[in-house]
Amino acid sequence: GDSVTQMEGPVTLSEEAFLTINCTYTATGYPSLFWYVQYPGEGLQLLLKATKADDKGSNKGFEATYRKETTSFHLEKGSVQVSDSAVYFCALSPGGQNFVFGPGTRLSVLP
Amino acid sequence: NAGVTQTPKFRILKIGQSMTLQCAQDMNHNYMYWYRQDPGMGLKLIYYSVGAGITDKGEVPNGYNVSRSTTEDFPLRLELAAPSQTSVYFCASSPLAGWSDTQYFGPGTRLTVL
Repeated sequence: GDSVTQMEGPVTLSEEAFLTINCTYTATGYPSLFWYVQYPGEGLQLLLKATKADDKGSNKGFEATYRKETTSFHLEKGSVQVSDSAVYFCALSPGGQNFVFGPGTRLSVLP
Repeated sequence: NAGVTQTPKFRILKIGQSMTLQCAQDMNHNYMYWYRQDPGMGLKLIYYSVGAGITDKGEVPNGYNVSRSTTEDFPLRLELAAPSQTSVYFCASSPLAGWSDTQYFGPGTRLTVL
């Protein structure tokens, strides 16, 4: 079945460091891909998305490119801030009402 | 707009008790969803609704029931609580079909069954 694999956390970085959170997926067809972020005590919120191969989603300095050849959707940010500390979820939707979430990666950014 | 609201935020149940988790949205979204998040795991879809009066099962529906009498409300019912239902429950909504659009999440309900 469809699945999402994320790098194990937690990830701890110093402020202004470069961030990469790896995400790979298994799906039939052409799923849409998403990154959601969950700040402490809050629900998930959409960070960015891409709906077809080679699309790049971007928001708040974060970017991810839909790579069909490597079935990946890695999240990157050039310079993280303390306020980026959160749990990041990679997700895919193969169609209909199905949504498959990864287990989440906790990011801590130290000042 | 309040967005998606959930009550209660925390609850402890004894085995065999029943309860209803409330979810409401004020964005006039047609689609609503219930997920559970177990520690170290991704979210799993319990039930969803594509509009008032229409609901369907997701990946893990056993032990739960839902109803959708209005566009705004989508309560989740646990009839006979079991320790396996200890989890964090999230309600979400979207204006279009989830696969093509953003889902808006509530803050979650943390449920413990002892």
